[in-house]
Amino acid sequence: ETVMTQSPATLSVSPGERATLSCRASQSVTNNLAWYQHKAGQAPRLLIYGASTRATGIPARFSGSGSGTEFTLSISSLQSEDFAVYYCQQYNDWPPWTFGQGTKLEIK
Amino acid sequence: EVQLVESGGGLVTPGRSLRLSCIGSGFTFGDYAMSWFRQAPGKGLEWISFIRSKAHTGTTEYAASVKGRFTISRDDSKSIAYLQMNSLKAEDTAVYFCSRALRTAVAGVKYYFDYWGQGTRVTVSS
Repeated sequence: ETVMTQSPATLSVSPGERATLSCRASQSVTNNLAWYQHKAGQAPRLLIYGASTRATGIPARFSGSGSGTEFTLSISSLQSEDFAVYYCQQYNDWPPWTFGQGTKLEIK
Repeated sequence: EVQLVESGGGLVTPGRSLRLSCIGSGFTFGDYAMSWFRQAPGKGLEWISFIRSKAHTGTTEYAASVKGRFTISRDDSKSIAYLQMNSLKAEDTAVYFCSRALRTAVAGVKYYFDYWGQGTRVTVSS
């Protein structure tokens, strides 16, 4: 099973600033990595798949990078609606599909 | 517009059963694999079950935590995926989400999850 580790657990950033979230895999997942945004009481939302491809309707301020075992989600110029929990998920080695423990992005 | 709506959650005593439903709309349900996930209180997302489309065998996968107790199935004529949960335990308490799976076959078959429902809450307690 591929273990996913996200850092930091909580990130405090001011609106308008840039946020950078990290995700590490215990073994290579090539580029089979997705990022999700999740707000309490709502459906998780796919942001990025293939490590760097934005999903349909996702604003350009969201970008993903990395391959192998190290990945990054960047959000430029944070908007109020961007404060949420973000999860990375690998889909290279399945089952099981595995998630990081999440990064809570909060308003500074 | 793609929509997924879960139902069937509630309060159940340990050892009892519950069946969750996930109805899809806005897409050809039978063309897609489907999956169930859950989020326990204060925890992250956990994958628990997956069913391929009938065109790709319709076979199933389960997480170790639910294998032998949970059963995923689908009725494409009704655009519904089900999760039959038996022998429920307190640790099954969670919000359960269904999701549509997108299949890629560029370098081996992979599935990722593009649309999710809002979830249905299951509480297992005496």
